[in-house]
Amino acid sequence: DGGITQSPKYLFRKEGQNVTLSCEQNLNHDAMYWYRQDPGQGLRLIYYSQIVNDFQKGDIAEGYSVSREKKESFPLTVTSAQKNPTAFYLCASSKGAGAEAFFGQGTRLTVV
Amino acid sequence: QKEVEQDPGPLSVPEGAIVSLNCTYSNSAFQYFMWYRQYSRKGPELLMYTYSSGNKEDGRFTAQVDKSSKYISLFIRDSQPSDSATYLCASPSGNTPLVFGKGTRLSVIA
Repeated sequence: DGGITQSPKYLFRKEGQNVTLSCEQNLNHDAMYWYRQDPGQGLRLIYYSQIVNDFQKGDIAEGYSVSREKKESFPLTVTSAQKNPTAFYLCASSKGAGAEAFFGQGTRLTVV
Repeated sequence: QKEVEQDPGPLSVPEGAIVSLNCTYSNSAFQYFMWYRQYSRKGPELLMYTYSSGNKEDGRFTAQVDKSSKYISLFIRDSQPSDSATYLCASPSGNTPLVFGKGTRLSVIA
């Protein structure tokens, strides 16, 4: 089945630790995205990548980092510099930057 | 000013009602529009998209765009409890990621 896989579904970390969220797609899409969703805030773009080995900051990139070494993979690292990391994180992909986006099922990160 | 505005609700309706969900947008460059549905603790899924002014129908769902007033609507006929979800409108702006509204939370009460 084609789709986007995010793992893990739930993640718990201690404050001050970096954590990496996985996102893999087998849709052969060029573009991939990371969003953060908090109650009442909608989807906020963290980073996006339109091609391998290239990515751009979104609206709330501070405290996050990404890499795009393979077309299929776009991992997100939440660093200790992120002040409020507890949130629901969504990965998405599309054929191109302005095309319909397809989402994974999300990772809920809780930092204690 | 955010480019896509959406009333967050929550909106609560009885089963069988006609639901109207709305967005406004400010960027005249937006050429087509999408509606996503998101169930609780799940990722959004694409529900419908439309390229131009007018209506597009898919089963119980109708998407409507009025470019003159920059208004986007999603109508749900004969609403069901399974329609209870958050609905997000979105539009691309050139070669950049989709711009999303904040979403409207809908509850259909049996």
